[in-house]
Amino acid sequence: AQSVTQLDSHVSVSEGTPVLLRCNYSSSYSPSLFWYVQHPNKGLQLLLKYTSAATLVKGINGFEAEFKKSETSFHLTKPSAHMSDAAEYFCVVSPNTGTASKLTFGTGTRLQVTL
Amino acid sequence: GAVVSQHPSWVICKSGTSVKIECRSLDFQATTMFWYRQFPKQSLMLMATSNEGSKATYEQGVEKDKFLINHASLTLSTLTVTSAHPEDSSFYICSARDPNSGTDTQYFGPGTRLTVL
Repeated sequence: AQSVTQLDSHVSVSEGTPVLLRCNYSSSYSPSLFWYVQHPNKGLQLLLKYTSAATLVKGINGFEAEFKKSETSFHLTKPSAHMSDAAEYFCVVSPNTGTASKLTFGTGTRLQVTL
Repeated sequence: GAVVSQHPSWVICKSGTSVKIECRSLDFQATTMFWYRQFPKQSLMLMATSNEGSKATYEQGVEKDKFLINHASLTLSTLTVTSAHPEDSSFYICSARDPNSGTDTQYFGPGTRLTVL
């Protein structure tokens, strides 16, 4: 069994300040972990993924996430927010058991960026 | 990166009609595709796993006769909403796994907004 908890449903930051979106997971396997971003009325875009290699994962648009097994966390960070970062962010876990591995989605965090 | 397209991007239909949504992997072959449904301000709900050349696997609570899935080729899966009703109005998103990615990364289409009048 696996689950994902996104600790904040809504995060608001000022442009130019750091972003922290929190995610905790549980999994019976050695999971793969993903962060996806969704802009309004759009599909999901892959930001980054962890697949048991380096624990600090760098993604697109300056985002990165650190896999901490002891804390079962996979928080998403960015040093400086941009207005275009405003969107919905989903933390996702997969058991990484093969081609039909099902993804389990968090409930999402809406990031608001203000001037 | 891997690209997945969906068509149409939005559709409006009358109650009782059927609507077909296409999902295509543009630059890779996908033996497995997934169909999700998303309600406003909510997360994605997996509806079914579409397997090329075989029957789809539906999640609990999803009516297989209501949501027909066909995966006739390695680059195309279709979802047909039969006898649509207003409660079927939703955002439908497909995804596909790129077997060349070496992981179980899924790449998502842009979604289809279905409105049933």
